[in-house]
Amino acid sequence: GNSVTQMEGPVTLSEEAFLTINCTYTATGYPSLFWYVQYPGEGLQLLLKATKADDKGSNKGFEATYRKETTSFHLEKGSVQVSDSAVYFCALFPYTGTASKLTFGTGTRLQVTL
Amino acid sequence: KAGVTQTPRYLIKTRGQQVTLSCSPISGHRSVSWYQQTPGQGLQFLFEYFSETQRNKGNFPGRFSGRQFSNSRSEMNVSTLELGDSALYLCASSLPGYANTGELFFGEGSRLTVL
Repeated sequence: GNSVTQMEGPVTLSEEAFLTINCTYTATGYPSLFWYVQYPGEGLQLLLKATKADDKGSNKGFEATYRKETTSFHLEKGSVQVSDSAVYFCALFPYTGTASKLTFGTGTRLQVTL
Repeated sequence: KAGVTQTPRYLIKTRGQQVTLSCSPISGHRSVSWYQQTPGQGLQFLFEYFSETQRNKGNFPGRFSGRQFSNSRSEMNVSTLELGDSALYLCASSLPGYANTGELFFGEGSRLTVL
């Protein structure tokens, strides 16, 4: 079946540090890949996505590249801010046209300090 | 346009009681999914409804049920509450069928505490 593995958190960084959150996946076929973010007290919201191999998703300074050869979709940001403190979820979606059933990773909490 | 609205935001129940949670999707979205979020288990898929029909179901006992109305609003019900049902219940709406790309729009959740 489909699965997503994320690095354990929490990840604690100082402001302006470089961020990497690792994500690998197991799936048949060619899934779409997502990063969702959950800020304190809120629901999840889509951060970025990539729908095919070698695609790079980007938003708000965050980037992730769909690597089929390594089945990975690592999230990166060059300079984090305190406002980036949140829980980040990697997710995969089998293919378009199916029911809404994303498979989520366990989430990685990011804490950014001054 | 308005986002996904979930009510109530917080509620406290005791073991053995039942609870009903409500979700209003984004206008035009006809698919509604429900997730349970707990610190120990993370995000777990409960079920998904489209056009008043349950299209997908996760691995939860029969105490967890849901339905969708003709206006796409959805409710989920948990009967005979157990302590382990304490969680944040998230509703998400999306475009249905062929237009579904996996992008879900989440509400802020209903936080259930079972005492």
